[in-house]
Amino acid sequence: DAKTTQPPSMDCAEGRAANLPCNHSTISGNEYVYWYRQIHSQGPQYIIHGLKNNETNEMASLIITEDRKSSTLILPHATLRDTAVYYCIVMGDNAGNMLTFGGGTRLMVKP
Amino acid sequence: AAGVIQSPRHLIKEKRETATLKCYPIPRHDTVYWYQQGPGQDPQFLISFYEKMQSDKGSIPDRFSAQQFSDYHSELNMSSLELGDSALYFCASSLRDRPTDTQYFGPGTRLTVL
Repeated sequence: DAKTTQPPSMDCAEGRAANLPCNHSTISGNEYVYWYRQIHSQGPQYIIHGLKNNETNEMASLIITEDRKSSTLILPHATLRDTAVYYCIVMGDNAGNMLTFGGGTRLMVKP
Repeated sequence: AAGVIQSPRHLIKEKRETATLKCYPIPRHDTVYWYQQGPGQDPQFLISFYEKMQSDKGSIPDRFSAQQFSDYHSELNMSSLELGDSALYFCASSLRDRPTDTQYFGPGTRLTVL
């Protein structure tokens, strides 16, 4: 699976949009981009995933560049409860693949 | 909606003892994954099962074993516990449905080895 690069930390003001970038320049055509987050010591929480089109659900939006080498997770109106470590993970389409967590971005939402 | 259930939530053991962690997947999910997260570290994959057969194996010590039962719940057995085994252990489940396989995590078991 392709390696990802994320900034180690970011701050965001409460109520503003949080934009979390991820680079995955070696992504293959059949690999998906997944986002999970982990709120302090809780189980990782699935947020969203996509292949090449932009995706939106009740939690967030995922914007994937046309060349698929990077993506951005957008939390439209960040709240204090969104403070967490956010992981961008690239995974192939072989169902059953394990998740490889690496680094992630520690997002701090401030009042 | 029903989530992944893990028990116990907290476990304290002495060195060289054994421990058994249990995982009950989301109903109708057929795949179970185990992850270990040491203090200050990212979760690391240990092992997974699909339809009661071992599917993939990660950095799981030989002292650990796991299985998935006919009702799809899974147990992680840990023997000869060492101080370094102190960690959070997460179980995740998924419904294997190509091309993607979204995993949903339980709350974890915090194991402390004294």
